[in-house]
Amino acid sequence: AQKITQTQPGMFVQEKEAVTLDCTYDTSDPSYGLFWYKQPSSGEMIFLIYQGSYDQQNATEGRYSLNFQKARKSANLVISASQLGDSAMYFCAMREFNNAGNMLTFGGGTRLMVKP
Amino acid sequence: SQTIHQWPATLVQPVGSPLSLECTVEGTSNPNLYWYRQAAGRGLQLLFYSVGIGQISSEVPQNLSASRPQDRQFILSSKKLLLSDSGFYLCAWNRDFRGAFFGQGTRLTVV
Repeated sequence: AQKITQTQPGMFVQEKEAVTLDCTYDTSDPSYGLFWYKQPSSGEMIFLIYQGSYDQQNATEGRYSLNFQKARKSANLVISASQLGDSAMYFCAMREFNNAGNMLTFGGGTRLMVKP
Repeated sequence: SQTIHQWPATLVQPVGSPLSLECTVEGTSNPNLYWYRQAAGRGLQLLFYSVGIGQISSEVPQNLSASRPQDRQFILSSKKLLLSDSGFYLCAWNRDFRGAFFGQGTRLTVV
């Protein structure tokens, strides 16, 4: 079964508007971390935001916020006031604390395109 | 601060040729190291990870191998490349519960 699911292969958003990128996850580990990465056309993976499974509040980093709904196992990324430079692939990832290598499992990604 | 170097940035290799991609990390000790592969327009697939020198774990059976000869060096190799080995290869590291930090990637085209 897929551990990380991103159901939106592509999204358009108007510049200066907010956009939500969906992510659902599947784990039986009570301790885990959720991450969002941005991958521009250059290919580098840029860390955006982190949410721990025991964090009481939703994580925020500047224009990025993570809408964490634990019971629904969802961790959607919200980008406020979209900019042209936000056009990129976005990946949701999870790290389960009981895995020996601390590795991340990634979703298939969402391509975000910001329209001027 | 920590940095991660990965090279080369692009590589075109004929089928059947060998491969060696190198990744090094600076500014940290005893990192966990990872090799991921990304097919065009797809997510990242974990290939190998290493928690210490000489310790390699493989996530998927394949034509590739990995080695960690030094604490901060991680090498991805193949003796004979296949067309299906084409893709974008990313090296990454972390040291604790936080997420991974990635290198710039190598775009490999096997022709």
